[in-house]
Amino acid sequence: AQTVTQSQPEMSVQEAETVTLSCTYDTSENNYYLFWYKQPPSRQMILVIRQEAYKQQNATENRFSVNFQKAAKSFSLKISDSQLGDTAMYFCAFMRNNAGNMLTFGGGTRLMVKP
Amino acid sequence: GAVVSQHPSRVICKSGTSVKIECRSLDFQATTMFWYRQFPKQSLMLMATSNEGSKATYEQGVEKDKFLINHASLTLSTLTVTSAHPEDSSFYICSATSPGQQSTDTQYFGPGTRLTVL
Repeated sequence: AQTVTQSQPEMSVQEAETVTLSCTYDTSENNYYLFWYKQPPSRQMILVIRQEAYKQQNATENRFSVNFQKAAKSFSLKISDSQLGDTAMYFCAFMRNNAGNMLTFGGGTRLMVKP
Repeated sequence: GAVVSQHPSRVICKSGTSVKIECRSLDFQATTMFWYRQFPKQSLMLMATSNEGSKATYEQGVEKDKFLINHASLTLSTLTVTSAHPEDSSFYICSATSPGQQSTDTQYFGPGTRLTVL
């Protein structure tokens, strides 16, 4: 079974600064996907970024980027130029390949962006 | 990304009544839909996996007779909370996906339904 751990229950960052959210996972699989989802106060889950494990290049989506360290089983999310709208819960999630697209979620990190 | 809707967004009902929540994939065919429950300040807890045209697979500890799931088409799944009680009050979220389809090989989430049982 897979497990996903987010060791930071809460974090805060000043507007326009950079913040990194941590995520580690445990699996014996070699082919899988990793995701970061954002859940703002509206509670709508929004896909932030996705990484295929077979790709060495770190995924990037505008101000969001990941540091994927496969050997260390680490998948951190970096948010650059933080904006007030980035205030949300962030969930790291693991998906095993060819397993029906089932996700295993971490416990979440609550991020507060301060003006 | 793909769009998933959920209806209703909020529902208040009396104890003992049944409530139906609909989950629709609006712009793609979802062979699989998932139903989650989320308690305040916690992560999502998977309740069941729903595959189109077959019976849902329930996670351990989830009562299948209480949480009835139907996935009659590739764009619609429903969750019915039968004989609801106050302890069933929660935020219910669905997601839709199509395993094997590259463009939708990801879970896309509905906006959630807040159920309050009086």
